[in-house]
Amino acid sequence: QKEVEQNSGPLSVPEGAIASLNCTYSDRGSQSFFWYRQYSGKSPELIMSIYSNGDKEDGRFTAQLNKASQYVSLLIRDSQPSDSATYLCAVILSGTYKYIFGTGTRLKVLA
Amino acid sequence: DTGVSQDPRHKITKRGQNVTFRCDPISEHNRLYWYRQTLGQGPEFLTYFQNEAQLEKSRLLSDRFSAERPKGSFSTLEIQRTEQGDSAMYLCASSFEGPPGDEQFFGPGTRLTVL
Repeated sequence: QKEVEQNSGPLSVPEGAIASLNCTYSDRGSQSFFWYRQYSGKSPELIMSIYSNGDKEDGRFTAQLNKASQYVSLLIRDSQPSDSATYLCAVILSGTYKYIFGTGTRLKVLA
Repeated sequence: DTGVSQDPRHKITKRGQNVTFRCDPISEHNRLYWYRQTLGQGPEFLTYFQNEAQLEKSRLLSDRFSAERPKGSFSTLEIQRTEQGDSAMYLCASSFEGPPGDEQFFGPGTRLTVL
């Protein structure tokens, strides 16, 4: 089992729709979770961090964390073509300083 | 406020040569990380510094790889006797230690091609 798993996609949504991206992790002790956006040929860009169960909203983005089920998700409301990118989920392994990234989900927002 | 910078942005080398990359973190950040990323994969953790101390190193990092952060500011990553399998994007990230967590910010990366 991979430490952080994401569906590679592509996930295609029409412009203006809600995009839902999911991530599961295996380390039950993990406490810190992050979503990054990565455009082709560029480095990852931090979107959000989340540390507590529940929802965290920032503009059009909402991160959701459920530690009991070991999943974290990212919702993008009113999706725009400029949101088309790969979205990476990252988790800090408990007891370490290691960030483990998923392979990313490729999102395509269709105009 | 400048972000994380990396130099060079691109490096082409022949197999067997040594290469060195530099990372300058955000000035107030005391934590620095190196990652390697290949096509279709997420960044893969290589090593972590807190100030000048190297506190964690991936088992994937062979003896050919070494990293330093001598004064707790910039860092270098050296790869000795490069192999074609070392071709990848090498990413540096920095963060500031503090509650509630540790948000990392990435530099633009150094793309290495080993011929």
